[in-house]
Amino acid sequence: DAGVIQSPRHEVTEMGQEVTLRCKPISGHNSLFWYRQTMMRGLELLIYFNNNVPIDDSGMPEDRFSAKMPNASFSTLKIQPSEPRDSAVYFCASSSQETQYFGPGTRLLVL
Amino acid sequence: GNSVTQMEGPVTLSEEAFLTINCTYTATGYPSLFWYVQYPGEGLQLLLKATKADDKGSNKGFEATYRKETTSFHLEKGSVQVSDSAVYFCALETSNFGNEKLTFGTGTRLTIIP
Repeated sequence: DAGVIQSPRHEVTEMGQEVTLRCKPISGHNSLFWYRQTMMRGLELLIYFNNNVPIDDSGMPEDRFSAKMPNASFSTLKIQPSEPRDSAVYFCASSSQETQYFGPGTRLLVL
Repeated sequence: GNSVTQMEGPVTLSEEAFLTINCTYTATGYPSLFWYVQYPGEGLQLLLKATKADDKGSNKGFEATYRKETTSFHLEKGSVQVSDSAVYFCALETSNFGNEKLTFGTGTRLTIIP
C-alpha cells in the first residue's frame, strides 16, 4: 500500500492567493483527518470526516478554511484567501480501527 | 473532557542511556492509549498502543504500560540510539468504535548524542 498521499509536498504562495491541499487516504479507511502543525501551536486537528461526512470541524480556524471529501479516496483543504499566519505543515491522516496513518505533509509558506 | 499531559522537552541523552518520557491523561470512559513518533521532515507514525488497563505496548525496543490507577502511559527504552532522535507524542482515543479523533499531547523532542 502506498500509504496516505498528499500533494503538493511544498507550496509557496503570496498573501491573498487561494491554496488547495490534496489528500488521498489509504484504501479501505473510512475516517480522514486534517491537522496543522506549527512551532507555536503544535499539532492541531482542523477537521475530520467519517464515511465522507464531516463529523467535527471545530478546529477550523475561520471561514477562510474549508474542507471537502467528495468520495472515499479524495479530500481537499482549501484556504481562501491565504495569510502569512497560515504558514505551517498540514498533515492528512486516515484511520481504520483506531490507528491513524499520517501522510508526509504539505509545507505551506505564505509570503 | 479528554486531555494528555506529557513531559516537557527537549530531552537530550547520550547513546545507550535509559529513556523515560512521562505521559498522564484525563479521559471519560475507557480510552485507548498511543505513542506516535515524528522523525524530522516526516509525518507522525504509530510507535505502540495499548487498548485496556495493564496492557503493555511495545515496538522497536520501546515499551509503555497502561496504568489505570495512575492514569499514565509512560514511554521507556532501555538503551537509546542516535536514530531514536525524534519528537514523541502521547495520545488517547475514547470512542467505542474506533475511527474517532485522537487527543494528542504537546510532544517531547528527544535528541540522542553519540
